[in-house]
Amino acid sequence: AQSVTQLGSHVSVSEGALVLLRCNYSSSVPPYLFWYVQYPNQGLQLLLKYTSAATLVKGINGFEAEFKKSETSFHLTKPSAHMSDAAEYFCAVSRTGRRALTFGSGTRLQVQP
Amino acid sequence: GAVVSQHPSWVICKSGTSVKIECRSLDFQATTMFWYRQFPKQSLMLMATSNEGSKATYEQGVEKDKFLINHASLTLSTLTVTSAHPEDSSFYICSAGGQGGTGELFFGEGSRLTVL
Repeated sequence: AQSVTQLGSHVSVSEGALVLLRCNYSSSVPPYLFWYVQYPNQGLQLLLKYTSAATLVKGINGFEAEFKKSETSFHLTKPSAHMSDAAEYFCAVSRTGRRALTFGSGTRLQVQP
Repeated sequence: GAVVSQHPSWVICKSGTSVKIECRSLDFQATTMFWYRQFPKQSLMLMATSNEGSKATYEQGVEKDKFLINHASLTLSTLTVTSAHPEDSSFYICSAGGQGGTGELFFGEGSRLTVL
């Protein structure tokens, strides 16, 4: 079975500071990995995805993530946080042979002025 | 990008009634749709996989007679919560995948169900 673990249910950063949201995956086969953002009472928006091409993936809104097989990690980063980045972020993995996603527990990002 | 729309966004119903939630793919054909459930401040849990023209596949622990799923066309899947009870109150989110195997899914805006 595939799974993802997000370390830290809450992360707080100052505006302009580096954002680092952690995600580790467990998979017996090369996974597809995703980061989604969710604003209150809304659905999910795809930030970026890893599908076995380049290990450094660039997404929307200045976010990027690096797939590190040796560390089984797919951490999400952004060099400089904006107030508008405050939201819930989910790491997800797709199952082998299926396209249903298994989500991590989520990390709530707060951006302090 | 591809758009998936859910309706209604909010619904309040009395205990014992049934509620239908629609999920539509607006600009692509969705051979597969997925229904998720999200409790407050928690992650999304997959409930079932809906395949056009065939029966839905339910995840372990999800009552198929409670949560009826119909995927009658390539652009519409419906989730009906039958005989709803307060514990069914939740945020229900659908996602749709078109043809292709990259695993990318497009998510609806979600439907918040409150059962009184």
